[in-house]
Order: sequence, then structure tokens, then C-alpha cells
Amino acid sequence: AQKVTQAQTEISVVEKEDVTLDCVYETRDTTYYLFWYKQPPSGELVFLIRRNSFDEQNEISGRYSWNFQKSTSSFNFTITASQVVDSAVYFCALSEAYPSDSWGKLQFGAGTQVVVTP
Amino acid sequence: DSGVTQTPKHLITATGQRVTLRCSPRSGDLSVYWYQQSLDQGLQFLIQYYNGEERAKGNILERFSAQQFPDLHSELNLSSLELGDSALYFCASSATVNTEAFFGQGTRLTVV
Repeated sequence: AQKVTQAQTEISVVEKEDVTLDCVYETRDTTYYLFWYKQPPSGELVFLIRRNSFDEQNEISGRYSWNFQKSTSSFNFTITASQVVDSAVYFCALSEAYPSDSWGKLQFGAGTQVVVTP
Repeated sequence: DSGVTQTPKHLITATGQRVTLRCSPRSGDLSVYWYQQSLDQGLQFLIQYYNGEERAKGNILERFSAQQFPDLHSELNLSSLELGDSALYFCASSATVNTEAFFGQGTRLTVV
């Protein structure tokens, strides 16, 4: 069975500080996808990144970076120089890959609330 | 804007009633998913359709049903509503297999 654990319930930082969100996953599949989604106070879920289990390269997109370590089953997310607009709930998610019967279905973690104060 | 449209945005109804939530996927996307977000259960997968066919089911109650129409839009029907059904219901769509899902803004259902 798949499981995604986001142990941090809430992280509070002051603007310009870096914040790292932890994500640990469990799966028996050898091929899978990992995701991060952002849910701002307005409520919508915004796609941030998808990572294939075969691609362990770290990725950077502006102030966002992701560290995928298959050996520790972790897919951590760092926001550099945080801003008030980064205040949101961030979800890590896992899905199996085709041709699995459950391809596409997202298993979400509980989410981490990030609060950035000026 | 994700390109996924959900209507209505808000819905308030009484216990025992039936409601229909509607979702229009992104243009060209074949797969539609429904998720429920509640405070106690978090984000839970309900059901998935692919090109009109049901593909996968999660912990969807028997009182809930869904379908995907030939034009690929989808509807989620919730009947005999209970207070505990109050939640944010999301629709998501993806192009095909192994592509990321984009979510709509959700329908906030309040059962009173």
C-alpha cells in the first residue's frame, strides 16, 4: 500500500528565511511519480512539480527547489527567501505509473501549513 | 487558472437532499478524477474516469456516483446527504496516462 507522510503540521517563518518541507513516502512499486501541490488560502490546488522515480536529479525553479532521494524515500521541498505570498498548505503526493491499475490516482500526505510573516 | 472548471463554487443544502457537482476538464484531457477534502480525512481519492469509462474507485460511498459524458465533462452526484458529507470536492483532469493532474477550484459543499 502507498503512504505519504508529511510530519510537519505547520512551519512559521519570517519573510526572507528559507523553509524546507519534508515528505517521506512508501510504495512497493518500482516506477512511480511524486508531486508537490500548493493550496493557498483561496482554496485551489496548484500543481508545482512532478518527478519520475527514475529521475533523481534535484530540480530548481526560481525560489523553489526539490531534493529527491530514493535511498531514503524522501522528496523534500525548499522555498528560498520566503515571501508572504508563499503562505499556503503544501501537499506531497504519490501515484503509481502506467501500466499499474492505479495509475493517476494520487495518494496525498496530510499537508504542511507554511506561515510567512513580514 | 488550471483550465479545469467546477460548478458551483459553493453549495448549501439540507440533510437528505441530493446534489450534482459538475466538472469540465482541460481541453483535450481524457482523464477526470474526483477528490474529497475534509478536515478529518484530508484529501481522499473518490473515483477516476478515462475517456468515458470508470477506471478506478477509492473510498467512495454508495450514496455517491459519478459519470463522464461523451464531451468528457463529468458529474458527481451525492445523495441522501449527511452532515459529514460537508467538504471541499475537487475535480482534476490529466491528458492521458502518466501525466500530471490539474485541479479545479473546488466546490465547497455545506450540509445543514
